[in-house]
Amino acid sequence: EVLLVESGGGLVQAGGSLRLSCTSSAFTFNSNAMGWVRQAPGKGLDWVSVLGGRDGSTEYADSVKGRFTISRDNSKNTLFLQMNSLRAEDTAVYYCAKRRHDNGGDFDSWGRGTLVTVSS
Amino acid sequence: ERVMTQSPATLSVSPGESAALSCRASQSVKNNLAWYQQKPGQAPRLLIYYASTRATGIPARFSGSGSGTEFTLTISSLQSEDFGVYYCQQYNNWPLTFGGGTKVDIK
Repeated sequence: EVLLVESGGGLVQAGGSLRLSCTSSAFTFNSNAMGWVRQAPGKGLDWVSVLGGRDGSTEYADSVKGRFTISRDNSKNTLFLQMNSLRAEDTAVYYCAKRRHDNGGDFDSWGRGTLVTVSS
Repeated sequence: ERVMTQSPATLSVSPGESAALSCRASQSVKNNLAWYQQKPGQAPRLLIYYASTRATGIPARFSGSGSGTEFTLTISSLQSEDFGVYYCQQYNNWPLTFGGGTKVDIK
């Protein structure tokens, strides 16, 4: 059963922008903390960003701070990751994931991911 | 930043044997630690949270222990479907950090 579905990945040139989306029919994003985790080809997991459910607070990894923005559209129950000034090292599969609690916790549900390829 | 170090990098195990995977934090993360399993081409799957609580639907052969800086994931009587890469993750402090992973493969 797929509870989270990502979209928006693709091939983009270095310096370009891309917006990822994540939707769910099972979770309400404005009452759950959500996040993005990425995985470069053949590498491990790398946390990117988190958006709080009720308070909408945001946190970013230093590697993306100032370039990426996490947000959501409550009316569409959709999570976004706006990625600007993309670099070759941003190439990865990007997973959308739900946190267990609104104020923290592990990632207890994951999407299948969407591939972002940044060409230099 | 809490650096998470997993060992060994690779573990070769025969089906039916047990495996112990280690995860060490550079500073205390209390019991705010999770373990995930990932198979090729698939998303990670949560196994353990709060260091020792099994996630929904996870078989009892998976167990987690530890607190502070030292953690262990034990898989007793490994099944063929248990082979893959295992990651630990701390969620006690920002930034959230993952270990580099332990690959469990067939001996």
